[in-house]
Amino acid sequence: AQSVTQPDIHITVSEGASLELRCNYSYGATPYLFWYVQSPGQGLQLLLKYFSGDTLVQGIKGFEAEFKRSQSSFNLRKPSVHWSDAAEYFCAVALSYNTDKLIFGTGTRLQVFP
Amino acid sequence: GAGVSQTPSNKVTEKGKYVELRCDPISGHTALYWYRQSLGQGPEFLIYFQGTGAADDSGLPNDRFFAVRPEGSVSTLKIQRTERGDSAVYLCASRAAGEGELFFGEGSRLTVL
Repeated sequence: AQSVTQPDIHITVSEGASLELRCNYSYGATPYLFWYVQSPGQGLQLLLKYFSGDTLVQGIKGFEAEFKRSQSSFNLRKPSVHWSDAAEYFCAVALSYNTDKLIFGTGTRLQVFP
Repeated sequence: GAGVSQTPSNKVTEKGKYVELRCDPISGHTALYWYRQSLGQGPEFLIYFQGTGAADDSGLPNDRFFAVRPEGSVSTLKIQRTERGDSAVYLCASRAAGEGELFFGEGSRLTVL
């Protein structure tokens, strides 16, 4: 069965610093990959997704992620973090584009210091 | 409404009681998902509807959990004989036909005393 690993439970960065959140998946073929963000008291919001094509995908709020098949990774990056980026970030994988459930990782909590 | 709506937002109940949680998906979305999120964890898949039928219910933890979507729109998650371990936030999401993105509601927080 497919699975998603987010090795970092909690990350703290200073405002303006760069950010990379790690995500590794376990699946034999190329899965469909997602990053969601969850702010306190709010629902999960899609940041970006990878289905096929260019392995570097751009998302909302200045985020990007790169799919690396050789490393089974889909790491999320942002060049300069804003205080409003403090939230919980979840990586997710699906086996098919629109007929399957999403399997989520355990999340990475991002704290941003001024 | 514009987004996925879940009611109640908070529910406190006693062990052994019956609970219903409602999800109103985005209008026109054919697929509907239920997830459970415990403290400090990622969302855990429970069940997925395509139209009125359950396409995948492999995540339901036991027979105390049941969900319906009788008209292909609103869905109700039903939990019988609640246990303290059922305490969690129950998330609902919907998806349009042919699309990959799930849109999530804000969740129903269930506390079993």
